[in-house]
Amino acid sequence: EAQVTQNPRYLITVTGKKLTVTCSQNMNHEYMSWYRQDPGLGLRQIYYSMNVEVTDKGDVPEGYKVSRKEKRNFPLILESPSPNQTSLYFCASSPLRLAGEDEQFFGPGTRLTVL
Amino acid sequence: AQSVTQPDIHITVSEGASLELRCNYSYGATPYLFWYVQSPGQGLQLLLKYFSGDTLVQGIKGFEAEFKRSQSSFNLRKPSVHWSDAAEYFCAVGDNNNDMRFGAGTRLTVKP
Repeated sequence: EAQVTQNPRYLITVTGKKLTVTCSQNMNHEYMSWYRQDPGLGLRQIYYSMNVEVTDKGDVPEGYKVSRKEKRNFPLILESPSPNQTSLYFCASSPLRLAGEDEQFFGPGTRLTVL
Repeated sequence: AQSVTQPDIHITVSEGASLELRCNYSYGATPYLFWYVQSPGQGLQLLLKYFSGDTLVQGIKGFEAEFKRSQSSFNLRKPSVHWSDAAEYFCAVGDNNNDMRFGAGTRLTVKP
């Protein structure tokens, strides 16, 4: 089944404790992206990647890191989480390098709480 | 950069009634327009998209949307709402510079 998977789905952590949220897609998509969803703000892009070893900042990159060592995986890293990073996070992928031109396929989301 | 406005935060309709969700965008050229639906606890699923051609596009689950360039709008419609349509709906606009923007979303409640 074609899908985007994220792990974990739920995570409660404390300020400053490094964490990684994994994202994997099995559709051989070029483009992958991370969003955070906050009430009243919709989805805001954190980082995106157009190909292996090619990543770029989105609208709200501060406090986050990403890597794209393999085409299928695009982990999101929070080196020192803070409470303002409590949010619902979505990973997405798209078949084209330029995601603005095509549908994105979304993972199920990761709800992160930072205490 | 483009932007998207969904003026209605929350809409309630009765089951069987018609639905229209509003979306306005700001972009200099012809944008790529999308409507996504998010059911509770789920990721986003594409309902329909507009790139060019016929300005009335049909999507899944009986939804349609009409692109009106003169009004910078891409409103989503459904003639008869079902209880299972209760969800949050997001309008999004993309361009060929790899920029994608989402609206803040409209939450739809369906009354029995």
